[in-house]
Amino acid sequence: QKEVEQNSGPLSVPEGAIASLNCTYSDRVSQSFFWYRQYSGKSPELIMSIYSNGDKEDGRFTAQLNKASQYVSLLIRDSQPSDSATYLCAVKMILTGGGNKLTFGTGTQLKVEL
Amino acid sequence: KAGVTQTPRYLIKTRGQQVTLSCSPISGHRSVSWYQQTPGQGLQFLFEYFSETQRNKGNFPGRFSGRQFSNSRSEMNVSTLELGDSALYLCASRVDYLTDTQYFGPGTRLTVL
Repeated sequence: QKEVEQNSGPLSVPEGAIASLNCTYSDRVSQSFFWYRQYSGKSPELIMSIYSNGDKEDGRFTAQLNKASQYVSLLIRDSQPSDSATYLCAVKMILTGGGNKLTFGTGTQLKVEL
Repeated sequence: KAGVTQTPRYLIKTRGQQVTLSCSPISGHRSVSWYQQTPGQGLQFLFEYFSETQRNKGNFPGRFSGRQFSNSRSEMNVSTLELGDSALYLCASRVDYLTDTQYFGPGTRLTVL
């Protein structure tokens, strides 16, 4: 089982619709979760972080976390063509001896169609 | 504030050669992590340096090594290159190894022929 799993897509949604991106993780003790957006040929940029169960909203983006189900999702409302990118789910994993590392899913490609 | 910079942006090497990539973190950031990104495997953690010491290491062979200098700049070295090392190599900086938010550089695209 992969540590962080995402559907690779592509996920196609019409402009103005809600895009729903999902991610599951294997480490039950993980406490910090992140969504990165990566445009083709560019580096990832952080768009959302979430630490507590429930929803966290930031503009058109809502991150949802369910630790019991080991599930985190990202909703994008009123999707725009400029949202077309690959969305990476990342989970912070605590390492023995202190410190931590981010483990990434392979990403879901989102296409917003006119 | 200037972002994370990486040099060179593109590299073409042949099998068996070695390569050194450089990363300059955001000013004030003392932690630098390196990642390898390939279409099949996604973003995979290589190692992290903080205060010139390697803090964490991923599951890569010993051909992959790194170091960090006193000004927090970091270099990554890959020896005896293999075709499978072709990838985008990204570095990310953060204030320290406990801080959550990492900022990625533009990456170095390495092609091994």
